[in-house]
Amino acid sequence: SAVISQKPSRDICQRGTSLTIQCQVDSQVTMMFWYRQQPGQSLTLIATANQGSEATYESGFVIDKFPISRPNLTFSTLTVSNMSPEDSSIYLCSVGGGRGRNTEAFFGQGTRLTVV
Amino acid sequence: GDSVTQMEGPVTLSEEAFLTINCTYTATGYPSLFWYVQYPGEGLQLLLKATKADDKGSNKGFEATYRKETTSFHLEKGSVQVSDSAVYFCALRVQGGSEKLVFGKGTKLTVNP
Repeated sequence: SAVISQKPSRDICQRGTSLTIQCQVDSQVTMMFWYRQQPGQSLTLIATANQGSEATYESGFVIDKFPISRPNLTFSTLTVSNMSPEDSSIYLCSVGGGRGRNTEAFFGQGTRLTVV
Repeated sequence: GDSVTQMEGPVTLSEEAFLTINCTYTATGYPSLFWYVQYPGEGLQLLLKATKADDKGSNKGFEATYRKETTSFHLEKGSVQVSDSAVYFCALRVQGGSEKLVFGKGTKLTVNP
């Protein structure tokens, strides 16, 4: 299993500003994932963060808006840049249990972001 | 592409009622299937999983069977409790590619005493 600490747990931000969310894992993992959960919606993958390489972004998400750092195997950050009210969501960090079929993903508690 | 279609909510039940939340999927490969639960104010937790056809995942009285012929993974519980009130997400992961999950839209369950 993996224990994921994510912070801040919530924040209220002014439009036009940026917020950096931190994700710390209690073990070394190859891949870390950042998801967004808009109000009343499901989780949508933003990007996959691999240590030592550029993050891989899903369709509709770009690095300029959501820059990601992955300095080592236990830590990652996601920045939400130049925020607008449409960015109000819960952002979740996740790690997978490995490539086997019988593995599960683990999630942080999430960061609840409100942009005003 | 890969996708998960989940029964729309919200669902409201009385305590001890029977619960079914439907989930169907489309996948380019042979997926593993999961149900995650999100209790109010908390992150996602794995509820149960199944990795191959006809497998039954079970946990906390919840069950789901991997039906390849109907591409379904319906969640059931025979007698719900107030503490089961949460949002339930069906998800899949296709092996051989990235480890990312594809989620359904979630179903909010409220159980009244």
